[in-house]
Amino acid sequence: AQSVTQLGSHVSVSEGALVLLRCNYSSSVPPYLFWYVQYPNQGLQLLLKYTSAATLVKGINGFEAEFKKSETSFHLTKPSAHMSDAAEYFCAVRDDYKLSFGAGTTVTVRA
Amino acid sequence: EAGVAQSPRYKIIEKRQSVAFWCNPISGHATLYWYQQILGQGPKLLIQFQNNGVVDDSQLPKDRFSAERLKGVDSTLKIQPAKLEDSAVYLCASSLGLGNTDTQYFGPGTRLTVL
Repeated sequence: AQSVTQLGSHVSVSEGALVLLRCNYSSSVPPYLFWYVQYPNQGLQLLLKYTSAATLVKGINGFEAEFKKSETSFHLTKPSAHMSDAAEYFCAVRDDYKLSFGAGTTVTVRA
Repeated sequence: EAGVAQSPRYKIIEKRQSVAFWCNPISGHATLYWYQQILGQGPKLLIQFQNNGVVDDSQLPKDRFSAERLKGVDSTLKIQPAKLEDSAVYLCASSLGLGNTDTQYFGPGTRLTVL
């Protein structure tokens, strides 16, 4: 079964600083990878997804992720953090029609 | 376009009681999912429907959990009897189909507290 591992359960950044959230996958075949965001007391919202069309994927709210097969990684970045980016972020892999999620990374943004 | 609707948003019950959650997916979405999200963890799939048929229920604790999707639209998830470890957020999601690139859209969830 495919799985993802998110490195770091909590990330704290200053407003305007780079946001970097790490995700590594385990897969023997090309994976379908996703990043979701969850704001407090809300459901998950899709940020972006990798479907093998391009290795650099741009998503909503200024986020992007780069698929690196050699590193089995799909890290999420945003050049400049906003206070509104404070949320929990989940990396997920689609495996046999199911989504398997990582444990999540909570982002806090300091003014 | 309306999103995935869930009710209730919050529920508090005592252990050994029963509880039911309701989900209305996005119109036209054939696939419906129920996830359990325990505090501090990522969502875990409980059951997946394609129209009104079950695709995968391998992680559903069938001795106490049940789910149905009559007429291939709305769905209910029931727990009977509830245990303390069932305290979690129950998320419903839907997608157009079973394709690996089909986006799953999530509802706001039902937060269950078992005392």
